[in-house]
Amino acid sequence: DIQMTQSPSSLSASVGDRVTITCRASQSISSYLYWYQQKPGKAPKLLIYAASSLQSGVPSRFSGSGSGTDFTLTIGSLQPDDFATYYCQHSFNTATFGPGTKVEIK
Amino acid sequence: EVQLVESGGGLVQPGGSLRLSCAVSGFTFSSYWMNWVRQAPGKGLEWVATIKQDGGEKYYVDSLKGRFTISRDNAKNSLYLQMNSLRAEDTAVYYCTRHWSYAFDIWGQGTMVTVSS
Repeated sequence: DIQMTQSPSSLSASVGDRVTITCRASQSISSYLYWYQQKPGKAPKLLIYAASSLQSGVPSRFSGSGSGTDFTLTIGSLQPDDFATYYCQHSFNTATFGPGTKVEIK
Repeated sequence: EVQLVESGGGLVQPGGSLRLSCAVSGFTFSSYWMNWVRQAPGKGLEWVATIKQDGGEKYYVDSLKGRFTISRDNAKNSLYLQMNSLRAEDTAVYYCTRHWSYAFDIWGQGTMVTVSS
């Protein structure tokens, strides 16, 4: 089974900061990598699909990169609405989520 | 408007069964693979199961195989999750999601399942 790891598990940042979250797969997953944002008490929201494609309606400050085993989610300029938990996911016929990265206000 | 509305959650005793439903509207249900994802209180997301458009292919997380069954009724625009032999560790919010280009692009609001005596 493919395992997904994320780092860091949490981070503190200020509005306007550039934030980078890393996701690593235990074996190559090509570009079958997705990023979600979840706020407390809410369902997750798809941000990035196929490693680097921005989902419709998602602000352009979000970007994704990587392929194979190493991936990153970057928030170009952190906004108040971005404080949330972020999950990476590998999905093909089965799926695995990373453990999440909580982005908190500094 | 695209909507996924889960129902059927609640309190159940260990060893009991529960059937979750997800009512879909706003898109052609029969054209999409569908999934269930769960989240235990204070924990991360866990993929549970996926089903093909016609129900002909189903996939489950290894840890749940044999206890949970995913199904669908395209005539009723509905997705189901039959959960048997429930354990305390199955306590979670269960989300219904649409499968699009391998991403989970649309999510319901979730239904809470609590397994406790």
